[in-house]
Amino acid sequence: DIVMTQSPDSLAVSLGERATINCKSSQSVLYSSNNKNYLAWYQQKPGQSPKLLIYWASTRESGVPDRFSGSVSGTDFTLTISSLQAEDVAVYYCQQYYLTPYTFGQGTKLEIK
Amino acid sequence: EVQLVQSGAEMKKPGESLKISCEGSGYTFTNYWIGWVRQMPGKGLEWMGIIYPGDSSTRYGPSFQGQVIISADKSISTAYLHWSSLKASDTAMYYCAKYSEAFISPDAFDIWGQGTMVIVSS
Repeated sequence: DIVMTQSPDSLAVSLGERATINCKSSQSVLYSSNNKNYLAWYQQKPGQSPKLLIYWASTRESGVPDRFSGSVSGTDFTLTISSLQAEDVAVYYCQQYYLTPYTFGQGTKLEIK
Repeated sequence: EVQLVQSGAEMKKPGESLKISCEGSGYTFTNYWIGWVRQMPGKGLEWMGIIYPGDSSTRYGPSFQGQVIISADKSISTAYLHWSSLKASDTAMYYCAKYSEAFISPDAFDIWGQGTMVIVSS
């Protein structure tokens, strides 16, 4: 199985500041024929279902605020929230969908400082 | 509106069977893979498997192969997750979710159901 390791496990950031969540895959999730990284980011607020934020590592889902962005360097992926809002308090998960089982990271809990 | 509506919470005893459902609406059900994701209490997300309702092709995660059966009835736009003999360790929230793009696999999950809580206790 591809292991997805997120860091940190939890993070406290002040309102309006930048939040950065990292995710590392144990092997490449880049499909060479289309040059796409098969990596998604989800947000799960307390008591709610997960919500898709980013897919193909850096494509923002429709309706997701542009303060959310995704980037990649090799097998290292980053979710950045440029200016933290109160409604961004949640657990964030990365997921690879390159090889089954399409594994998730363990989650990063984001709180307000 | 595209949505997935799951069946209600269940409380069962160990050894009992259970089938929970996920009904899709607002899109062509047969064209999009649907997956199941487990979330044990206070824990993260675990990918269980997926099904393509168009031809009932399935893929299972190794941890779930042989433990559950994923099926679909395209005539009523509904996917199912079935256990023949529940264990206490099956206690969890179960989510269904559909792929973002029609026909293709793999893909990210763009629409999620509200979740079905399953409690297994004697």
